[in-house]
Formats: sequence, structure tokens, C-alpha cells
Amino acid sequence: GAGVSQSPSNKVTEKGKDVELRCDPISGHTALYWYRQSLGQGLEFLIYFQGNSAPDKSGLPSDRFSAERTGGSVSTLTIQRTQQEDSAVYLCASSYLRTGNNQPQHFGDGTRLSIL
Amino acid sequence: DQQVKQNSPSLSVQEGRISILNCDYTNSMFDYFLWYKKYPAEGPTFLISISSIKDKNEDGRFTVFLNKSAKHLSLHIVPSQPGDSAVYFCAARDGRGNQFYFGTGTSLTVIP
Repeated sequence: GAGVSQSPSNKVTEKGKDVELRCDPISGHTALYWYRQSLGQGLEFLIYFQGNSAPDKSGLPSDRFSAERTGGSVSTLTIQRTQQEDSAVYLCASSYLRTGNNQPQHFGDGTRLSIL
Repeated sequence: DQQVKQNSPSLSVQEGRISILNCDYTNSMFDYFLWYKKYPAEGPTFLISISSIKDKNEDGRFTVFLNKSAKHLSLHIVPSQPGDSAVYFCAARDGRGNQFYFGTGTSLTVIP
């Protein structure tokens, strides 16, 4: 079946512009995560959605970052007034959460964002 | 505050030998541990995992060991193959929720 799909795969934009990144999780997966990987760094947690619960936004680095998940499926991560330090690979992951059953996350190939 | 640490940024191993990748963590509430493999320009791919109630899990050439008292996790690859060359990330889940924490990765090179 289809894996996690992210678009665009690459995005180059000028500083100060807004960008929107999209994630299509695996069908049926209830949990969706966004991470950021800057050059030479590990994965930095940004935000987590689980079903109809309020999202865990504790990893968002500033109020320029926001995300939504519509209909419990597709998610969009929006970065307003982009800065050069926002340049990174943005990764989306989904998993099927079920009480008492450990399930790994499945990742998309990411969006490589470059801010000029 | 890095709760999951991979202190070796890189590792080189001869083909056919054992590769040992290490990971340390600080949070005693972690209950599920995972290893991911990542090739350039691709997302991380799940490799193997272990629950905190176990100390070993094996899947083919890959074995994960968990030492809870030392808060240490390791991945053994035997025998190592050139196709194993990739960046390996260690991850852990906080049992109080579903947030995962990742290490900074170890780049493994298997020399033919």
C-alpha cells in the first residue's frame, strides 16, 4: 500500500515569504507527527496529532509555525514570514496507535526547504 | 536537553564483521525503543524495536539490546553488508504520551 507522502519534495523561497508543506499519512493511521532536521542535526519534534484530541504543539519553535490536520487525515505545516534558519528538511510520520500495542512511525521522504 | 544521545557520529566496519551502534538515554519513562535507518534524500525507515519489558529483540541480521539499568541501547548488525551503509537513528517513546525522541544519528560505512 502507499506510504506517507509529502509535497513538495523541494521548496526554495525568499526570506519573508510564507510556505505550506503537505503530508498525506498512511490510510488508517491515527497519529501524525511533524519533525525538522537541520543540517548535521537529529530529528527535532515539532507537533503531534492524535485522532480528535488537541494537538501537542510543544515543539513548534515560534508562532510563525502552525499546523492543521483536516478530517483526521491530510496535514499541512505552515511557516509564515520565513527566515533563513527555517532551512531544513521537514519530515512527516504517521503511526497506528492502539492501546497496549507498540507501533513504529512510518516516515515520508520529507520536504527540503531552502530559504534564500 | 538531548534525552536520547548517540555519541558516535560515524562508524566504519569491514564487510562481514559486526557493526555495533550505541545509544544512551536519560528519561526513565521511556517504554519503547526503536532504530531507524536513513539513506540520503529519503525518510527514515523503521528497522527494529524493543519494548522496555524486554532486553533483547532479534530480526535476521539485526539485534537490539536494552540495558535499562544503564539506560543504554545498542544495535548489532551481523554480518555487515555494504548495503547497510546509512545513517542510523535511535528513538525512544515517552510512555506518558506518544512523543518520540530521536538521537542525532550515527553514519555507518561498511567497507567492501
